[in-house]
Amino acid sequence: EAQVTQNPRYLITVTGKKLTVTCSQNMNHEYMSWYRQDPGLGLRQIYYSMNVEVTDKGDVPEGYKVSRKEKRNFPLILESPSPNQTSLYFCASSLRAGGLKSYEQYFGPGTRLTVT
Amino acid sequence: ILNVEQSPQSLHVQEGDSTNFTCSFPSSNFYALHWYRWETAKSPEALFVMTLNGDEKKKGRISATLNTKEGYSYLYIKGSQPEDSATYLCAFRTAGNKLTFGGGTRVLVKP
Repeated sequence: EAQVTQNPRYLITVTGKKLTVTCSQNMNHEYMSWYRQDPGLGLRQIYYSMNVEVTDKGDVPEGYKVSRKEKRNFPLILESPSPNQTSLYFCASSLRAGGLKSYEQYFGPGTRLTVT
Repeated sequence: ILNVEQSPQSLHVQEGDSTNFTCSFPSSNFYALHWYRWETAKSPEALFVMTLNGDEKKKGRISATLNTKEGYSYLYIKGSQPEDSATYLCAFRTAGNKLTFGGGTRVLVKP
């Protein structure tokens, strides 16, 4: 089954304790992206990746890191989480981006993160 | 950060009625306009990707139009059903491949 998976789905952690949220897709998609969703602010893009070893900042990249060493995986790293990073996080992928076509994104199930 | 606005923020529709709502976006540096449907406790699901001025897309009872020159897109739901209740998101893509979402229109269809 074609899908985007995220782990963990729920996480409660403390300020300053490094964490990684994994994202994996099995559709051989080139484009992957991370978003956070906060009440009243909608979905905001954190980072995106056009392909392996190519990443770029979205609108709210501060406090986050990403890497794209393999095509299928795009982990989100919070090196020193703070309470303002408490949010619902979504990973998404699409066949590709750029060129003449824009492709629909497939979203993962979301990760609810609480930082105390 | 680009300004992508959706209106209204929410609307109630009687079952069987048709409705529409708007996504406004910058008219410059346009690359694509995406529409998503987002049900509570689920993930956003793609409806349409629109790239050309004058584009019209349709999926079942849902359709969308695009005006890139004036910077707006309409989403229409014909003969609303309770299963159409969801938040509808639009997202504006620039040539740089950054995606900016609007705040969404929450639709509640009353039986």
